[in-house]
Amino acid sequence: GAGVSQTPSNKVTEKGKYVELRCDPISGHTALYWYRQSLGQGPEFLIYFQGTGAADDSGLPNDRFFAVRPEGSVSTLKIQRTERGDSAVYLCASSLTGGDDEQYFGPGTRLTVT
Amino acid sequence: RKEVEQDPGPFNVPEGATVAFNCTYSNSASQSFFWYRQDCRKEPKLLMSVYSSGNEDGRFTAQLNRASQYISLLIRDSKLSDSATYLCVVNESGTYKYIFGTGTRLKVLA
Repeated sequence: GAGVSQTPSNKVTEKGKYVELRCDPISGHTALYWYRQSLGQGPEFLIYFQGTGAADDSGLPNDRFFAVRPEGSVSTLKIQRTERGDSAVYLCASSLTGGDDEQYFGPGTRLTVT
Repeated sequence: RKEVEQDPGPFNVPEGATVAFNCTYSNSASQSFFWYRQDCRKEPKLLMSVYSSGNEDGRFTAQLNRASQYISLLIRDSKLSDSATYLCVVNESGTYKYIFGTGTRLKVLA
C-alpha cells in the first residue's frame, strides 16, 4: 500500500516568508510525528499527534512553528517568518497507534531559507 | 551531555567483517530503544527494536545494558548493502518523544 507522502519535496523561500509543509500518513495510522533533520544530525522531534490532537508539542522550537491535523489524517506544519536557521529536512512519520509501534517515515521536505 | 550519544564514525570495514556500534543514553528512566537505518538522502527505516533480553535478526544483534545505559548493534558478515547511517533511538519514559542520536556512519568496502 501507499506509504507516508510529503509535499513539496523541496521548498525554497525567502527569509521572513510563511511556509506550509504537508504530510499524508499511512491510511489508518492514528499517530503522526514531525521531525526536523539538519545535515550530519539525527532527526529532532518536533510534535506528536494522536488523532486530531497534539499530544506532545514540546519539540517545537518557538511560536513561529505550528502544526495541525484537523481530521486526524493529513497534517500541515506551518512556519511563520522563516529564518535561515530553519533550513533543514522536515520529516513526517506515522505509526498505527503510537507507543512503540514502528514509525514509517516519509521522504521529507527539504526547506531552504535564503 | 547529549541525551543520546553515538560515535559518528565513519566506520570503514571490509566485506565479511563483524562490526559493532554502541549508543549511550542519559535518562535512566528511558523505556524503549530502537535502531533505525538511514541511507544517504533517504528517510530512516526501522532496523530493529531492542529488548531487555537482547534480540537477533539474521546477521544483526541488538543488546541493551540498563546498568551502564547503553545499547549496542552488532553486524556480522558485513555486506556492501549494509553501508548506511545507523541511528540509535530512545523513547523518553512517560512521553511520546523519541530522541534520535546523530547516527553512526558505516561503509563496507569491497
